[in-house]
Amino acid sequence: AQSVTQLGSHVSVSEGALVLLRCNYSSSVPPYLFWYVQYPNQGLQLLLKYTSAATLVKGINGFEAEFKKSETSFHLTKPSAHMSDAAEYFCAVTRGGGATNKLIFGTGTLLAVQP
Amino acid sequence: DTAVSQTPKYLVTQMGNDKSIKCEQNLGHDTMYWYKQDSKKFLKIMFSYNNKELIINETVPNRFSPKSPDKAHLNLHINSLELGDSAVYFCASSQAEIGQGGIGGYTFGSGTRLTVV
Repeated sequence: AQSVTQLGSHVSVSEGALVLLRCNYSSSVPPYLFWYVQYPNQGLQLLLKYTSAATLVKGINGFEAEFKKSETSFHLTKPSAHMSDAAEYFCAVTRGGGATNKLIFGTGTLLAVQP
Repeated sequence: DTAVSQTPKYLVTQMGNDKSIKCEQNLGHDTMYWYKQDSKKFLKIMFSYNNKELIINETVPNRFSPKSPDKAHLNLHINSLELGDSAVYFCASSQAEIGQGGIGGYTFGSGTRLTVV
């Protein structure tokens, strides 16, 4: 079975500070990993994805994540937080594409950005 | 042009009623899904369809019946609504297996907030 664990349901940073949102995965097969962002009252938007190519993945809005197999981690970072980054962030894992493979989400991390 | 569109965006109804949520995608994806997001923001898959065929049914009560008339549409009908059905329901679509151009991630609709009173 696959799962992801997001450490910290709430993270607060100052504007301009480093953003670090943690995600650890569990998978019996090579995983495909994703980060999604959800702004208030909106759907989920794909930030970035790891699909077994480069381990350092760059996404939209200046975010990036590094796949570390030895640590079973896929933490999301951004060098300098902006007020507009305040949102809920979800890490997700799947075994592959197609209808037979579920995209399994973590419990989410709410990012607050203080002025 | 919206990639995955759901209607309605908000739905308020009384217990015991029957309601439907519609979803359409214009991405040409083969697979569509319904996810439920509860009040704690936890997202859980309910169903997946591939080319109109039900693939995943994640132990959802049989009051929930998905229907896919074609691969671009996936509707969700809910009978005898209960208070616990109150949630945000998201439709999503994705490309098929890896060898066929996946895995691009899922594209989600903007959600339908269902409130049962």
